[in-house]
Amino acid sequence: EADIYQTPRYLVIGTGKKITLECSQTMGHDKMYWYQQDPGMELHLIHYSYGVNSTEKGDLSSESTVSRIRTEHFPLTLESARPSHTSQYLCASSEALAGASTDTQYFGPGTRLTVL
Amino acid sequence: KNQVEQSPQSLIILEGKNCTLQCNYTVSPFSNLRWYKQDTGRGPVSLTIMTFSENTKSNGRYTATLDADTKQSSLHITASQLSDSASYICVVSDRGSTLGRLYFGRGTQLTVWP
Repeated sequence: EADIYQTPRYLVIGTGKKITLECSQTMGHDKMYWYQQDPGMELHLIHYSYGVNSTEKGDLSSESTVSRIRTEHFPLTLESARPSHTSQYLCASSEALAGASTDTQYFGPGTRLTVL
Repeated sequence: KNQVEQSPQSLIILEGKNCTLQCNYTVSPFSNLRWYKQDTGRGPVSLTIMTFSENTKSNGRYTATLDADTKQSSLHITASQLSDSASYICVVSDRGSTLGRLYFGRGTQLTVWP
């Protein structure tokens, strides 16, 4: 079982609210990622970080923002939630970048977000 | 275009039966291929990883194969159990870019009935 945690697990909010999805890991991994996953669809990378003070946008355009002030913590923020943001958000971490032999990504349990 | 295609999209089998899931990819240059298991409402968990030189890898009742020439992989599940009900995702890493990209398939939804 991976030591990566996400809170909340489920969130239902109204349009226009600001929300922060929390993600923390205790494995000391430098690399962390946020994915968005809709039912029956592949995971889409929306943000990633190489380490503290490093954040990059992923492949899928997202209105969310992230920060990496501490190695173990990688929160995702939506300033003004909309129904189109309804989805499952998965956080992951890895020891190395993809392509390396130790690039296994360890995933958190996810946050199911519903915006009404 | 780098892609990962999985088949079938969904599969129902009876407990105790075997099944095989397929993954075809076009990712290049290839680094490794993983199979992940994702239970409903949970994050994916890595089952196996194979590099270019490996053509089979087992993890208990799960056996993955890789044909790097045809760019195909399969995941064989033996003597299925109810707990095998999950989505199985094929993920391919490239090694060409500084980021190192992961390409995800859409998964095969497996349901095991008693």
